[in-house]
Amino acid sequence: AQSVSQHNHHVILSEAASLELGCNYSYGGTVNLFWYVQYPGQHLQLLLKYFSGDPLVKGIKGFEAEFIKSKFSFNLRKPSVQWSDTAEYFCAVPNDYKLSFGAGTTVTVRA
Amino acid sequence: DVKVTQSSRYLVKRTGEKVFLECVQDMDHENMFWYRQDPGLGLRLIYFSYDVKMKEKGDIPEGYSVSREKKERFSLILESASTNQTSMYLCASTPDRITEAFFGQGTRLTVV
Repeated sequence: AQSVSQHNHHVILSEAASLELGCNYSYGGTVNLFWYVQYPGQHLQLLLKYFSGDPLVKGIKGFEAEFIKSKFSFNLRKPSVQWSDTAEYFCAVPNDYKLSFGAGTTVTVRA
Repeated sequence: DVKVTQSSRYLVKRTGEKVFLECVQDMDHENMFWYRQDPGLGLRLIYFSYDVKMKEKGDIPEGYSVSREKKERFSLILESASTNQTSMYLCASTPDRITEAFFGQGTRLTVV
């Protein structure tokens, strides 16, 4: 079954810095991928998703992710973060009826 | 606006108690899920259901059971709560083909 791994557990950066969070999936073939975000005290919400087509996917709040098949990766990026981007970020992949998540990356943005 | 509602935000239960966590979705989704969220471990799937009265074990089903008598409602049951079940529990639902998952606000359960 497909799985995803996130290698960064905690990232701390200053406002206006660029952000990149890694996500790797386990094997090739047709794959759909998601990034979810959980702001403090809020429920998980979808940032962006990849199903097919353009490998560069744009999501909400200025985030984007690039699907690179040769690297089994789907990294999340934002060119310039804000304090309000402080949150936990999860990569996810569907397997039949299931949706499996990575361990998550906590991002702390310092003002 | 789509909605997944969990019955409690916070619960405190005693060891050995039977605990029910309720989840209701208003989107007519086929699939429903229960996850637990623990620091450093991400979201781990406990059980899921792809149809009424159907259930499948996830990655960590031990100590839990579920019930789905109606399409919109999915209940998680802790038969005999233990302290290692102290956690944040998240309910989610998706349509038949998983295009997006919608989450509830979570229930923070403390077992003392």
